Amino acid sequence: QQQVKQSPQSLIVQKGGISIINCAYENTAFDYFPWYQQFPGKGPALLIAIRPDVSEKKEGRFTISFNKSAKQFSLHIMDSQPGDSATYFCAASRWNQAGTALIFGKGTTLSVSS
Amino acid sequence: GAVVSQHPSWVICKSGTSVKIECRSLDFQATTMFWYRQFPKQSLMLMATSNEGSKATYEQGVEKDKFLINHASLTLSTLTVTSAHPEDSSFYICSARPAGLAGNEQFFGPGTRLTVL
Repeated sequence: QQQVKQSPQSLIVQKGGISIINCAYENTAFDYFPWYQQFPGKGPALLIAIRPDVSEKKEGRFTISFNKSAKQFSLHIMDSQPGDSATYFCAASRWNQAGTALIFGKGTTLSVSS
Repeated sequence: GAVVSQHPSWVICKSGTSVKIECRSLDFQATTMFWYRQFPKQSLMLMATSNEGSKATYEQGVEKDKFLINHASLTLSTLTVTSAHPEDSSFYICSARPAGLAGNEQFFGPGTRLTVL
């Protein structure tokens, strides 16, 4: 019930293309879904997050789509750039249970070819 | 805002020695901090949850006597790897949740690379 399943494990996209990473969760109590971006040798950085009151959230080239009934959420990177090459982690937790750890997916390594 | 620092950023030590890693929230207070370890090309594995002024809660399989966690103030948590061995070599990352803020948004430090020879 605590798992977050992330796919694909790796992704190669051409510059200017759309990168799509998917996550699925099991625990229906989860109501906070952040995405983190991690470059080699660095800590994860919060990229964008969504709560179930909306089905989509957009920040610049990054969009989260959320499907509550399917218990799935995805990250879309529009106009992908070589600088977006990194590992992306989805996560889930309960928003109002402050102090509880995030449950992470296994990560997706994105390579954007120029 | 919401900057978390870690010190050192990397450390090399001999087998059998102890190493202390600091995690600081620079511009906010954090009642709760988390410690993770990450092996190459893998996800973050939660080691323990640290609450200011109380004992840390360790995840199953994490030796509390080996990985000592202290959260003595609202801006500092430390992880001490005692009697380190080569298998403890890993990337250790902390995260912190700002106190007084609604919700469970967490911010990560830059990580500490530990190499045990």
